[in-house]
Amino acid sequence: EPEVTQTPSHQVTQMGQEVILRCVPISNHLYFYWYRQILGQKVEFLVSFYNNEISEKSEIFDDQFSVERPDGSNFTLKIRSTKLEDSAMYFCARATGSSDEQYFGPGTRLTVT
Amino acid sequence: QQQVKQSPQSLIVQKGGIPIINCAYENTAFDYFPWYQQFPGKGPALLIAIRPDVSEKKEGRFTISFNKSAKQFSLHIMDSQPGDSATYFCAASMWRSGSRLTFGEGTQLTVNP
Repeated sequence: EPEVTQTPSHQVTQMGQEVILRCVPISNHLYFYWYRQILGQKVEFLVSFYNNEISEKSEIFDDQFSVERPDGSNFTLKIRSTKLEDSAMYFCARATGSSDEQYFGPGTRLTVT
Repeated sequence: QQQVKQSPQSLIVQKGGIPIINCAYENTAFDYFPWYQQFPGKGPALLIAIRPDVSEKKEGRFTISFNKSAKQFSLHIMDSQPGDSATYFCAASMWRSGSRLTFGEGTQLTVNP
């Protein structure tokens, strides 16, 4: 399966700072997702994105979070004012839309100090 | 009702053994059930998936058994190898394009040589 790139691989930030996590998907994938995984816990859905709009979001995805695809290629997740509890692995996933299969990127480890 | 319950939390088998991981769900609208394999520091990798119209699906050494009436499904790994040592997550989603995945809590599998 084609690779999805996520940058950075590791981000350390101070509480209250803004972070932007990036995902570079394959062009023929229409659906993009962000999930997070707190260390040792299960993977949790944050938001899905289709046709430059949010199609679904979870209760975790509050006003501190935003997503966009600013240049039609990179898919970004912004956390406006990070909290300690935002420390987690953040995974970008993508799907073609013609099947249910979702493929995950390698993740960005976010550490908030 | 959106939860997916997974057991056991951890599992240790000898090489050649057949580990079995179980999942149960409540939402009858779920109709896509994938299993993901995750190695430390990596993103979840899609392993195998099933829909409720079949009771079993096999791909290589991996088999999903599905019991629609009991709302349960399980992963069997035949002839397990030390390289299968990883965390396994079951998940579920409702059929529509872009639907979120709801993950189980994960099972840490160790296959001893």
